[in-house]
Amino acid sequence: AQRVTQPEKLLSVFKGAPVELKCNYSYSGSPELFWYVQYSRQRLQLLLRHISRESIKGFTADLNKGETSFHLKKPFAQEEDSAMYYCALRQGGANNLFFGTGTRLTVIP
Amino acid sequence: DAGITQSPRHKVTETGTPVTLRCHQTENHRYMYWYRQDPGHGLRLIHYSYGVKDTDKGEVSDGYSVSRSKTEDFLLTLESATSSQTSVYFCAISGTGLEAFFGQGTRLTVV
Repeated sequence: AQRVTQPEKLLSVFKGAPVELKCNYSYSGSPELFWYVQYSRQRLQLLLRHISRESIKGFTADLNKGETSFHLKKPFAQEEDSAMYYCALRQGGANNLFFGTGTRLTVIP
Repeated sequence: DAGITQSPRHKVTETGTPVTLRCHQTENHRYMYWYRQDPGHGLRLIHYSYGVKDTDKGEVSDGYSVSRSKTEDFLLTLESATSSQTSVYFCAISGTGLEAFFGQGTRLTVV
């Protein structure tokens, strides 16, 4: 069963433009959602978790239970934001993370 | 970076041969995971462990086995490698917190 859907494989925006990476999930319980990022030649790392409601590197993400979405947003994209972004859902007693297929963001100078 | 290392980092092997990938952690975290990363599929969970000698299957476990005889090591074995197992393999660890820490990945090519 598809738990996490990221509809865009590729997304290109110009520097300074707003960016939104979409994530929808399917889960019957209370979801715990995350955004992970993978910069070129680096390991996957946590960017945001919904429970902390924080802003990291200018990115925010709000959990919308009605729309079952957890979109990642940034008002002004920077070149260093170019990376692969994965939305993930935690499920199960072993902290298992289930990932979407990822969106590759390219910020054009 | 969390203390997690994968070995080898790159491997080319022939179809039908056994392959073992190693994940080593120095964080004493309880949970360890093996994922594979493929274009169009994202990261998919192969197997996971919730303690020494406690392991379970993930989404794509066919053709893979794991072992965890010590807290710090989690081994992934391909008993008889196939071309469909060509992928990048990531190990991850997590403790009581929700954050997972990932290794740098192992690029495996089965020819």
